[in-house]
Amino acid sequence: EVKLEESGGGLVQPGMSVKLSCTTSGFTFSDYWMEWVRQAPGKGLEWVAEIRNKANNYATYYGKSVKGRFTISRDDSKSIVYLQMNSIRSEDTGIYYCTRGDYWGQGVMVTVSS
Amino acid sequence: DVVLTQTPVSLLISLGGQASISCRSSQSLVHSNGNTYLHWYLQKPGQSPQLLIYQVSNRFSGIPDRFSGSGSGTDFTLKISRVEPEDLGVYYCLQRTHNPYTFGAGTKLELK
Repeated sequence: EVKLEESGGGLVQPGMSVKLSCTTSGFTFSDYWMEWVRQAPGKGLEWVAEIRNKANNYATYYGKSVKGRFTISRDDSKSIVYLQMNSIRSEDTGIYYCTRGDYWGQGVMVTVSS
Repeated sequence: DVVLTQTPVSLLISLGGQASISCRSSQSLVHSNGNTYLHWYLQKPGQSPQLLIYQVSNRFSGIPDRFSGSGSGTDFTLKISRVEPEDLGVYYCLQRTHNPYTFGAGTKLELK
């Protein structure tokens, strides 16, 4: 069974950093491209970042609103994908989902407030 | 960035009725490899999104044939026939042809 579980969210002060993790199981993690998608309270889905697999040189891509502040990475030995969020802003508040494209985690809430 | 325009914003449908959602792209979603990476998701209240249709017209595992996708180039449609209570929620289209990937703004399906 494919499973994705996000962790690492919580209350973060503006300008600070936080690192989200997505622990996966039930599939050969190293074969897949992985993504982060977020959803602000009461709003639609926003695509955040993608990291490709080793065969694609672990290429990374970012949405415009997070480029230069967020970094996606992965540890194939642990089947975990990460999202390092720096210089956090209030508009980064929301639920962050880890997804393989077809399967999604339950999401983790990040609240940016002083 | 590619802009996906979803219409309508909301739909009021009777049980057993049919719903149609449009997703129009600001540019062609045909990838250089010939594939079209336009997908449809449903987010039920309080849940994570779930994949319904991938690459325009392919139903994901376990998705009933009441759901169908069609289209090409810049114009795509999701149709839901014989609407059931579990179909309620917000439907999103997503393009993975051009980076950064982008979602449509969503279409809320409600019961009349």
